[in-house]
Amino acid sequence: GAVVSQHPSWVICKSGTSVKIECRSLDFQATTMFWYRQFPKQSLMLMATSNEGSKATYEQGVEKDKFLINHASLTLSTLTVTSAHPEDSSFYICSAGRGDQPQHFGDGTRLSIL
Amino acid sequence: AQTVTQSQPEMSVQEAETVTLSCTYDTSESDYYLFWYKQPPSRQMILVIRQEAYKQQNATENRFSVNFQKAAKSFSLKISDSQLGDAAMYFCAYRGGLTGTASKLTFGTGTRLQVTL
Repeated sequence: GAVVSQHPSWVICKSGTSVKIECRSLDFQATTMFWYRQFPKQSLMLMATSNEGSKATYEQGVEKDKFLINHASLTLSTLTVTSAHPEDSSFYICSAGRGDQPQHFGDGTRLSIL
Repeated sequence: AQTVTQSQPEMSVQEAETVTLSCTYDTSESDYYLFWYKQPPSRQMILVIRQEAYKQQNATENRFSVNFQKAAKSFSLKISDSQLGDAAMYFCAYRGGLTGTASKLTFGTGTRLQVTL
């Protein structure tokens, strides 16, 4: 099946720094990538939808200046958490989709801000 | 807006027995897709089964099957011959059916399934 690689899997950094998370579709060209956030014991909450070559569409309540999304190619999308603070600590998951095919998920990134 | 409801926060089943996880949804669309995803402790999202709303036949994948009731907007997952490896969080998800477009998923709150010996 399709493979989506997400990197890093776990990152710990100091408050105030920026963190970049990469999401790559390894064996198909993803027209759309999605970024989700998941708090412990909760469901996945969609943060934004990213189409290749265009600006991301953010869900209500998600700060676009805080969570920068870039989708420069059909195989790569990045999420940058700018000036991260402890409340940004969470599990972030990306998924990649194309047409009517089911989305394929990355393995997630555990972000811990000290 | 579409909503997905999973009313069972936790379920338990004995090994080799059958369990059914419930899911209801609300939508005004006529064409859409429904999914069940499994999330084990590793937190990887694994697609279990998929159902297209225009298909009347219930989807099946080995030990996993669904009971799709479109009029009632119900989409339950049945796991037969439960195995220890089935223990995980199960999420029901909805996706709008715009043809050719990768649309976003709306997830339910999840059901944690325990499998006992």
